[in-house]
Amino acid sequence: DTGVSQDPRHKITKRGQNVTFRCDPISEHNRLYWYRQTLGQGPEFLTYFQNEAQLEKSRLLSDRFSAERPKGSFSTLEIQRTEQGDSAMYLCASSAGGGNTIYFGEGSWLTVV
Amino acid sequence: GENVEQHPSTLSVQEGDSAVIKCTYSDSASNYFPWYKQELGKGPQLIIDIRSNVGEKKDQRIAVTLNKTAKHFSLHITETQPEDSAVYFCAERLDGTYKYIFGTGTRLKVLA
Repeated sequence: DTGVSQDPRHKITKRGQNVTFRCDPISEHNRLYWYRQTLGQGPEFLTYFQNEAQLEKSRLLSDRFSAERPKGSFSTLEIQRTEQGDSAMYLCASSAGGGNTIYFGEGSWLTVV
Repeated sequence: GENVEQHPSTLSVQEGDSAVIKCTYSDSASNYFPWYKQELGKGPQLIIDIRSNVGEKKDQRIAVTLNKTAKHFSLHITETQPEDSAVYFCAERLDGTYKYIFGTGTRLKVLA
């Protein structure tokens, strides 16, 4: 069990560019979550999947954000036309079916310049 | 509403003293309350959790208490050590969903 893996760990991009983050959950975990965290704040819910189905998406999430989990294993989070306000750490987490505990990855830091 | 209030935002204690962090949640139907520890530059790590059918849970120097009537839950760390210094987050899992709402965090500093 290698834990939740996120890639890249750091990304610097120019405003207006698209970025994509990848998350590999703990093996056999069927739920996968994306959170965003800014300095001095707690993780903010973005979306979660059960297998390949996206079950809930934050109403605060702009249409520029899209997440997929095509085969029910890894997931990608894409941000289109990035803005400076998108600068944050994007956290992925996973949990097992029937379990409450969510396990976080180390996060992907995004800086939009 | 979906909101977890967490206090204090910063806490400094002398090594060996106890630390208490409190959270108040809004959804009376929430049934699971985890606590996470986050060190600089890392993702949050679960340290203890409690379900709504239990009033207290202990794990060595860490304990969590839950008051469902008041919708409060608290983290208690006894015999604090410098390595306990970190940011701590409480969270609730909303009923009927696997959506977790986090508090704003408490920065704990244990002074040697």
